[in-house]
Amino acid sequence: GAVVSQHPSRVICKSGTSVKIECRSLDFQATTMFWYRQFPKQSLMLMATSNEGSKATYEQGVEKDKFLINHASLTLSTLTVTSAHPEDSSFYICSARGQRGNQETQYFGPGTRLLVL
Amino acid sequence: DAKTTQPTSMDCAEGRAANLPCNHSTISGNEYVYWYRQIHSQGPQYIIHGLKNNETNEMASLIITEDRKSSTLILPHATLRDTAVYYCIVRVEGYSTLTFGKGTMLLVSP
Repeated sequence: GAVVSQHPSRVICKSGTSVKIECRSLDFQATTMFWYRQFPKQSLMLMATSNEGSKATYEQGVEKDKFLINHASLTLSTLTVTSAHPEDSSFYICSARGQRGNQETQYFGPGTRLLVL
Repeated sequence: DAKTTQPTSMDCAEGRAANLPCNHSTISGNEYVYWYRQIHSQGPQYIIHGLKNNETNEMASLIITEDRKSSTLILPHATLRDTAVYYCIVRVEGYSTLTFGKGTMLLVSP
């Protein structure tokens, strides 16, 4: 079964509004969470890495004030797209890394499709 | 992390073995080979990973050459549901991020 969940699975919003996406690790504690973005027919691009309780580290070219990441607990991270515009329309995927059983593991969520009108 | 090279696409008949190659000639001694796949409009799914020995699990087998410069992911009996983009990624276990290349689009046909 799924070990990383995302909510919502898809969202449509008006330009200028903010959208929050939740990512949860279901049966393990995620010491590190990652947020990726994927445009049509392209590969996943890492946006940021966050460790529980500390500020996220953003990849070059990703605006930290536009993509707010909160990793307040070992099972929850949120990505907020502030003042969304049509060019932010994309498939957002989170990933959680931590100990599951006796192995260090990294799993991905099912993704959130964002459409900004 | 070392870079990987994969064919852009491959075809496989349903029920046959799918053998997906990956070149990683600059791999370092402490880097593992990971395989993930992404079915259309879903998040990537972990398949298997290994350091130097061949590995097998319920999904696939991973064959790593002795010099570790290349590997092959084997799906022993491909089904239509195995149609996906397969990513070969090299990284140090427990450290660094998973960086995705373009992967191989595997199309399994009836």
